[in-house]
Amino acid sequence: SQKIEQNSEALNIQEGKTATLTCNYTNYSPAYLQWYRQDPGRGPVFLLLIRENEKEKRKERLKVTFDTTLKQSLFHITASQPADSATYLCALVTGANNLFFGTGTRLTVIP
Amino acid sequence: ETGVTQTPRHLVMGMTNKKSLKCEQHLGHNAMYWYKQSAKKPLELMFVYNFKEQTENNSVPSRFSPECPNSSHLFLHLHTLQPEDSALYLCASSQDPAGLNQPQHFGDGTRLSIL
Repeated sequence: SQKIEQNSEALNIQEGKTATLTCNYTNYSPAYLQWYRQDPGRGPVFLLLIRENEKEKRKERLKVTFDTTLKQSLFHITASQPADSATYLCALVTGANNLFFGTGTRLTVIP
Repeated sequence: ETGVTQTPRHLVMGMTNKKSLKCEQHLGHNAMYWYKQSAKKPLELMFVYNFKEQTENNSVPSRFSPECPNSSHLFLHLHTLQPEDSALYLCASSQDPAGLNQPQHFGDGTRLSIL
């Protein structure tokens, strides 16, 4: 069966450290992978998109990797801050133009 | 500030009521979407509209009826809902009609509770 798993439901990290969130998928062939941030009571906000032929994408303190062999994407936040605390969602877009979301990881950055 | 506005933010209704959710996007996008977000479940794509035409309906029960009168407005008409329909309903838009590979711009949702 098809599955998207995000490493854990919740992740706590000390301020200043690098947070690493994982998105693993099975039985999908994604053409693109997107990452979103969602704050409580708000809609998701788009952060980064990476294509299947790209290994890595960066935006300020954010970095995304995409390994189609491992069927995994890693999302890194360097020099994490309490304001980075939120739920982070990965989403796969398949070649057939279908979109599937993971359940998200709730990140808490502790001052 | 969001370019996608949803009203109402909260809605409580009985199972026999009829109500509508409204979404408006101010981004000049050509595609609009309805999603359902339930606790501990992934976001589920319900409907896709491109240039006002419905292009996807992901096996959504007929008690949910979408309407897209123009590229900027999207409605979700609700009728005879069940308690399991209680969830956050999110509207989104994107630039490209082909566009699920495009970034989705979400509103802040309507929190729906069915009594």
